[in-house]
Order: sequence, then structure tokens, then C-alpha cells
Amino acid sequence: DADVTQTPRNRITKTGKRIMLECSQTKGHDRMYWYRQDPGLGLRLIYYSFDVKDINKGEISDGYSVSRQAQAKFSLSLESAIPNQTALYFCATSDPRDPYNEQFFGPGTRLTVL
Amino acid sequence: QKEVEQDPGPLSVPEGAIVSLNCTYSNSAFQYFMWYRQYSRKGPELLMYTYSSGNKEDGRFTAQVDKSSKYISLFIRDSQPSDSATYLCATALYNFNKFYFGSGTKLNVKP
Repeated sequence: DADVTQTPRNRITKTGKRIMLECSQTKGHDRMYWYRQDPGLGLRLIYYSFDVKDINKGEISDGYSVSRQAQAKFSLSLESAIPNQTALYFCATSDPRDPYNEQFFGPGTRLTVL
Repeated sequence: QKEVEQDPGPLSVPEGAIVSLNCTYSNSAFQYFMWYRQYSRKGPELLMYTYSSGNKEDGRFTAQVDKSSKYISLFIRDSQPSDSATYLCATALYNFNKFYFGSGTKLNVKP
């Protein structure tokens, strides 16, 4: 079984709709992240959480919100989706005891906003 | 200016060729440098990491950092079709609070 899972894997929605992307992990890591990947722009950090009570904005948090429901679960919400939020979204985890803070990525969610 | 710049490619080479992938970065405070490999329809996976300047070798892969010129390189010797993927460089500060990723270089190794 995959250590980091994301649901849904693909989603098509319309402008103005509320969307939630979910991430679960079985690695026991405290740190979780949400990134989006766009062609030519690479991976950009949206939000990160170092434990259940800790939520931090990344470089592109506008239009997004997150919830850390438990150590193993970190969800990303788009309150009112817009077309330029069409992208590939990745959840990642890391272990603070790892000296290199290796990021373990999920398989991604492809989101299309029409 | 982006924190990390990377040529997107694509780069197409014959099997057995030596591949050179490169990135530049802007913040001299970056201390940790990583290369992630991403296969199609998959999430990135850590390939190699280095601390500060110097070389690190792992099998057919060599990561090189030149902090004086803010240049990061990944060399792949005897490239194989299974190396076909997108390679992303990444940097981080000493506290690892955030990673900064390049846009990725797509590599195709032809049999």
C-alpha cells in the first residue's frame, strides 16, 4: 500500500465551486505539505504543517485553505475555484528527525477548473 | 527572479550517453541541495542530496554543487532508458522549513 495517498486522483470542476483535496499518510511523519505543479513553474509550496496545531502559508497560499485533522491527514480546500488553479497538486510528508528532511510525495491530484 | 532556475528541456540522448543536468540559484544562504526524479504520472522521489559545496557520487549518478557560482549539477553516466523522467533540483536553508524547487528538466534516453 502507498505510504502517501491522495483523493481524488482526477477532478474536473467549474468556476466558483468549492473543492477539497485530501491527503493521508501512514509514514507516521509530523510534517505535511501541499504543493502545486505547473509546466514551466515547477513545484510551488501552498501550505505546510509541522504538527497538528501548526499551519503555515507557503509562497502561493491565496485562494487556498488547509485543515490538519490528525497527524495522518491534511486536506487542501479551494473555496471558490478559478481556472488558473488548474494544476497538478501534490501532498508530501517529511520526518523532522531526518537531517535532510526528505520529502515523500503522494501520486498527485490533477485538477481542472473550467 | 525565481529562487531556483532550471532549463526545462526536453533533453533527448542515446542510451549510454553521459547526461548533464543543471540549475542555478539566487540565495547564497541555501545550504542543502537535492535532486528529485519524477516519472510520468507519479510524485517526485528523492534521488540525491548534498550539503554545501562539493561532489557526491552514488552509482551512475554524481551531484555537484559550486556555491561560488551558485550552480548545481547532476551527471548521469551510462544513461539507461529507465532514467527517462523529469529531474527537479531543489534547495533549502539550514532549517529546512521550506524547499525551493526548479521547474524540472525532462530527460528522454533512447534505446
